Amino acid sequence: EAGVTQSPTHLIKTRGQQATLRCSPISGHTSVYWYQQALGLGLQFLLWYDEGEERNRGNFPPRFSGRQFPNYSSELNVNALELEDSALYLCASSPQGLAGETQYFGPGTRLLVL
Amino acid sequence: GQNIDQPTEMTATEGAIVQINCTYQTSGFNGLFWYQQHAGEAPTFLSYNVLDGLEEKGRFSSFLSRSKGYSYLLLKELQMKDSASYLCAVRALNNAGNMLTFGGGTRLMVKP
Repeated sequence: EAGVTQSPTHLIKTRGQQATLRCSPISGHTSVYWYQQALGLGLQFLLWYDEGEERNRGNFPPRFSGRQFPNYSSELNVNALELEDSALYLCASSPQGLAGETQYFGPGTRLLVL
Repeated sequence: GQNIDQPTEMTATEGAIVQINCTYQTSGFNGLFWYQQHAGEAPTFLSYNVLDGLEEKGRFSSFLSRSKGYSYLLLKELQMKDSASYLCAVRALNNAGNMLTFGGGTRLMVKP
């Protein structure tokens, strides 16, 4: 069974540009979570999608947004990129967020903002 | 809000036993997870506790005391490949559902 996949693996942007990151959950999982992990720091929760709806968001500005598609894959968009947005962005999926099953992580997208 | 504390770094010797502690303060507690994360890689699930007591899985064990807001991850017969960061994560139920909050992670270095 395929795990969580993310694309691209690496992304280089300049300040002010927009970045789009993609995630495909494990087959059968309806919940997708996005986390930011800056170098040397812990995972910071960004967004949670379940059944196509945004369920919750972390303490990040509105320029961080996303969506979940009918096939449960998800996009994270970061507008007006800033240098401090450079980080590893991790996507995780679980069978269903409300029941609270284990989250399984993808390999991440490493975003570098120059 | 939630507060999760774990040591930043630990060092241990190959073949030894190491215990990584995690303390937390949260409302709506609904489980505690441990993940392993090698440098530059994604976290991988190690263990899950929702009731008090010890859960054993091979060389790894995890303990939970809900009344004390305390958990530990025990690694036995340490191997060099166990050098990684170990993340404690607390799940809490709020109006939006179950949310997972991560501690800062404990970087474990295993020496020969």
